[in-house]
Amino acid sequence: EIVLTQSPGTLSLSPGERATLSCKSSQTISSDYLAWYQQKPGQAPRLLIYATSSRATGIPDRFSGSGSGTDFTLTISRLEPEDFAIYYCQQYDRSFTCTFGQGTKVDIK
Amino acid sequence: EVQLVESGGGLKQPGGSLTLSCAASGFTFDTYEMNWVRQAPGKGLEWISHISRSGKTIYYADSVRGRFTISRDNAKNSVYLQITGLRAEDTAVYYCTRSSFDWLFLFDRWGQGTLVSVSS
Repeated sequence: EIVLTQSPGTLSLSPGERATLSCKSSQTISSDYLAWYQQKPGQAPRLLIYATSSRATGIPDRFSGSGSGTDFTLTISRLEPEDFAIYYCQQYDRSFTCTFGQGTKVDIK
Repeated sequence: EVQLVESGGGLKQPGGSLTLSCAASGFTFDTYEMNWVRQAPGKGLEWISHISRSGKTIYYADSVRGRFTISRDNAKNSVYLQITGLRAEDTAVYYCTRSSFDWLFLFDRWGQGTLVSVSS
């Protein structure tokens, strides 16, 4: 099973700052098969980024994804108040299954 | 507008059974594959089951295979998850998710979830 490890566990930042979230895989993943989701308290997750760097419909361009192989990154260029949430990476590279990272919480400093 | 509405959760006793339902609207249901993903309280996300458009191809996570059964009724625009032999560790919010058109395990729409609590 592919294990995704996200870091840091919590990122404390102020609005307007840049957020950089890491997702490391235990095995090489094709760049076509890495996604990021955002989850706000009491809400369902929402797809942000797929295929490493493609934004889902309606996602603002302050969200960007990058990476390859085993190292992937989600960057939020300038944090807006509504961006404080938990972010999960997900790999869907293997047939018949997928796995999520444990999440990174971005909270207000 | 795409909507996925789950129902059927609640407080259940260990060893019991339940069936979760997910009613879909706002898209052509029988052209999309569907899934269930769960989230234990304060924990991360766990994919648990997938069903193809026709219902003929089904996958389960190892952690639930044998106790969980996914099904769908395209005439009713609904997907279901039957759980038997409930355990305390099944306590979670269960989300119905839609697979993207291009990737089976990329989830482009999520329901609001239904909470299953297993306790005596």
